[in-house]
Amino acid sequence: GQQLNQSPQSMFIQEGEDVSMNCTSSSIFNTWLWYKQEPGEGPVLLIALYKAGELTSNGRLTAQFGITRKDSFLNISASIPSDVGIYFCAGQLRGSRLTFGEGTQLTVNP
Amino acid sequence: DTEVTQTPKHLVMGMTNKKSLKCEQHMGHRAMYWYKQKAKKPPELMFVYSYEKLSINESVPSRFSPECPNSSLLNLHLHALQPEDSALYLCASSQVDIISYNEQFFGPGTRLTVL
Repeated sequence: GQQLNQSPQSMFIQEGEDVSMNCTSSSIFNTWLWYKQEPGEGPVLLIALYKAGELTSNGRLTAQFGITRKDSFLNISASIPSDVGIYFCAGQLRGSRLTFGEGTQLTVNP
Repeated sequence: DTEVTQTPKHLVMGMTNKKSLKCEQHMGHRAMYWYKQKAKKPPELMFVYSYEKLSINESVPSRFSPECPNSSLLNLHLHALQPEDSALYLCASSQVDIISYNEQFFGPGTRLTVL
């Protein structure tokens, strides 16, 4: 089956720093989704990407759909304490189930 | 309304109990999902309902029984669970008939503890 490699597994940064995380796959996807999950809550959809090469922003967040359709990255600029959580990427071929990465645990020190 | 709601928030049950988890959405989505999530791991798909019909069962043990009474509601009936079934159970919904089928919106989850 399809596998997603998400890196890094965890990040410890200072408030104000920029963050970058990425996901790579052994096969192509039609869609890349990025979710954030805080403790005790469900994943919240941050950004959805539908076209190879697409670059999309949502406030301080920017994500890109890799041109090969096998990778995606998420950047967070000027991090703040409330950015803390686990970030999951998810890929999907149309009509099939989501394949999730293992998550990136982000800790922001004030 | 862009929210998926789940009740209860927390549930503690014994191995002989019968309980149900409930999920509701009013976004007009016609696909609904149950996921199981262990701590610091990604969600694992259990069931998918499309137009109120079960379309995917990921070989889930029969002690988990899903039900979709209508297009807004999704239940998960639990019976004779094991301690290893303790987890966060997430409900999600999405559209099915256009490209945004892929955008799944999750509820806050039910934290289940089996004693």
